[in-house]
Amino acid sequence: QVHLQGSGPGLVKASETLSLTCTVSTYSISSGSYWGWIRQPPGKGLEWIGSISHSGTTYYNPSLKSRVTISVDTSKNQFSLQLTSVTAADTAVYYCAKVGQWHSFDYWGQGTLVTVSS
Amino acid sequence: DIVMTQSPDSLAVSLGERATINCKSSQSVLNSSNNKNYLAWYQHKPGQPPRLLFYWASTRESGVPDRFSGSGSGTDFTLTISNLQAEDVAVYYCHHYYSIPPWTFGQGTKVEIK
Repeated sequence: QVHLQGSGPGLVKASETLSLTCTVSTYSISSGSYWGWIRQPPGKGLEWIGSISHSGTTYYNPSLKSRVTISVDTSKNQFSLQLTSVTAADTAVYYCAKVGQWHSFDYWGQGTLVTVSS
Repeated sequence: DIVMTQSPDSLAVSLGERATINCKSSQSVLNSSNNKNYLAWYQHKPGQPPRLLFYWASTRESGVPDRFSGSGSGTDFTLTISNLQAEDVAVYYCHHYYSIPPWTFGQGTKVEIK
């Protein structure tokens, strides 16, 4: 079992930057695999945001690429998401997840609700 | 971008009966070099994170009951729940991870008890 725990502010002001961190336990990020962020706006479906490898290789959703940065800190066994210039459309539950077989997600964090306020 | 379209959007099935969910991709997600379909299925219950059911379209994730089955190839895929149980009430998503991003999800299919 791999445990992922997301953390970060639940409320972000419009035009500011959303920052979330996912802490991984019972598995070393340095061991390999990719790690991703997926979100779900209220009442809507799932949207893949982007993924990062243990060595820092990234893949981003082109629709968000200009605003997204995903980084990894192997010393803390964490990876992070930054989303700039947020609007109400970025209000969602944000999940962090581990990639299993390319690029399905086999372990997920519980999710963090982030609300963008005006 | 590859668009994933699920049908139906929702369905109600009696306990013990079969539920069938279809997923169609706008382009093939079959990699002919390894004969793998880059398609996953997830179960998502309220208040919980999604749960991986199948990857490579038909490979069952560890711990998934065998009443769940995944099938299909190319552009057409099916998730079947035979002998539906009350704990199977959820939204089910297909997800492609083929080729280059974005790796997109279907819109979801809500399964309820009739």
